[in-house]
Amino acid sequence: DVKVTQSSRYLVKRTGEKVFLECVQDMDHENMFWYRQDPGLGLRLIYFSYDVKMKEKGDIPEGYSVSREKKERFSLILESASTNQTSMYLCASTDRVYGYTFGSGTRLTVV
Amino acid sequence: GNSVTQMEGPVTLSEEAFLTINCTYTATGYPSLFWYVQYPGEGLQLLLKATKADDKGSNKGFEATYRKETTSFHLEKGSVQVSDSAVYFCAQTNTGNQFYFGTGTSLTVIP
Repeated sequence: DVKVTQSSRYLVKRTGEKVFLECVQDMDHENMFWYRQDPGLGLRLIYFSYDVKMKEKGDIPEGYSVSREKKERFSLILESASTNQTSMYLCASTDRVYGYTFGSGTRLTVV
Repeated sequence: GNSVTQMEGPVTLSEEAFLTINCTYTATGYPSLFWYVQYPGEGLQLLLKATKADDKGSNKGFEATYRKETTSFHLEKGSVQVSDSAVYFCAQTNTGNQFYFGTGTSLTVIP
């Protein structure tokens, strides 16, 4: 089975901190995605990547950046965390055939 | 553009009741359609999918039929169980890369 692993389930950070959320997949997928999930808003796409060192903005990229130095790893970076970035963050990868495989999510709280 | 609209919840049913969660989509062309399920504290898991008109996806007693004429992909189950309590997301994709999700429908099944 494809496995997508997010490094932390729960994270608490202070306003202004730089935050790294890590995601690793083990099935050699080219495509990886970062979403945030908020009540009543569903999933909103932050960034995605089709290949190493490639990145594309999603619907809500402001305040975020990403890094894809290796095919299996896709990192989401909050340059200066703010309280409105408190959310559940979901990473996914896909081979374009079977649909997305999601990680378990990271619940980030910014205080 | 591409979008997914699903019925708002929350939905509360008694065990063994019939479930329908409505989903409609707008898309250019003929997308593939998906239902994902999110159990408490977890990421999203693929529940079922359909890739062309009149296809029926099924899994774990859940079914959904791709209706091109009504641009719909309603999720149904004949007899729900307490263990089906979760949030259900309808999604579509044209390319297999970027997915478009509905806002999610929370289902609670009471004994």
